[in-house]
Amino acid sequence: QKEVEQDPGPLSVPEGAIVSLNCTYSNSAFQYFMWYRQYSRKGPELLMYTYSSGNKEDGRFTAQVDKSSKYISLFIRDSQPSDSATYLCAMTFSDTGTASKLTFGTGTRLQVTL
Amino acid sequence: DADVTQTPRNRITKTGKRIMLECSQTKGHDRMYWYRQDPGLGLRLIYYSFDVKDINKGEISDGYSVSRQAQAKFSLSLESAIPNQTALYFCATSDPTQGANYGYTFGSGTRLTVV
Repeated sequence: QKEVEQDPGPLSVPEGAIVSLNCTYSNSAFQYFMWYRQYSRKGPELLMYTYSSGNKEDGRFTAQVDKSSKYISLFIRDSQPSDSATYLCAMTFSDTGTASKLTFGTGTRLQVTL
Repeated sequence: DADVTQTPRNRITKTGKRIMLECSQTKGHDRMYWYRQDPGLGLRLIYYSFDVKDINKGEISDGYSVSRQAQAKFSLSLESAIPNQTALYFCATSDPTQGANYGYTFGSGTRLTVV
């Protein structure tokens, strides 16, 4: 079993839809959770970051962490064609130090259609 | 110029050849990483370096070696390339003083094909 599971998709939605992307994980020691966005032929870029449980909102994006269920989500409101990309979740035990290496999900490919 | 630059962007090489992928960064970060990305497997860590004198194996280091020539330069070598090393390779940097909050900065990747 992988430490971090993520549905690969592809997920296709119409423009303006609300998108829900999810990851589950097995190691309860993870404390820091991130979402990266990766456009085709580009490297991943950090989109959202949360610590421990709770919600965080940034514009059209909301990240949720439920540590009791070992489940994290990224919601995209009013989705746009420019949101079409692969979204990777990532997590780590520690903010700094040798334990700060990230463990990534496999990524979900999202396509927002006109 | 990009913060993290990888060369070459694309490379086709033959089985058994030695190949080097190069990474340079202008972020001033001490920590550098090499990942490979495969469909269905995501990003997997090959090697990482927390400073010039500190190099560590990641989860899939067999068949690879690295060199940290300077704070800004971290090279990945495939000593004798084999077809299952065909993948997209990413270099990344991070700053421990800023913690995970600032995440990693990735290069644009090297698409390597071993035939």
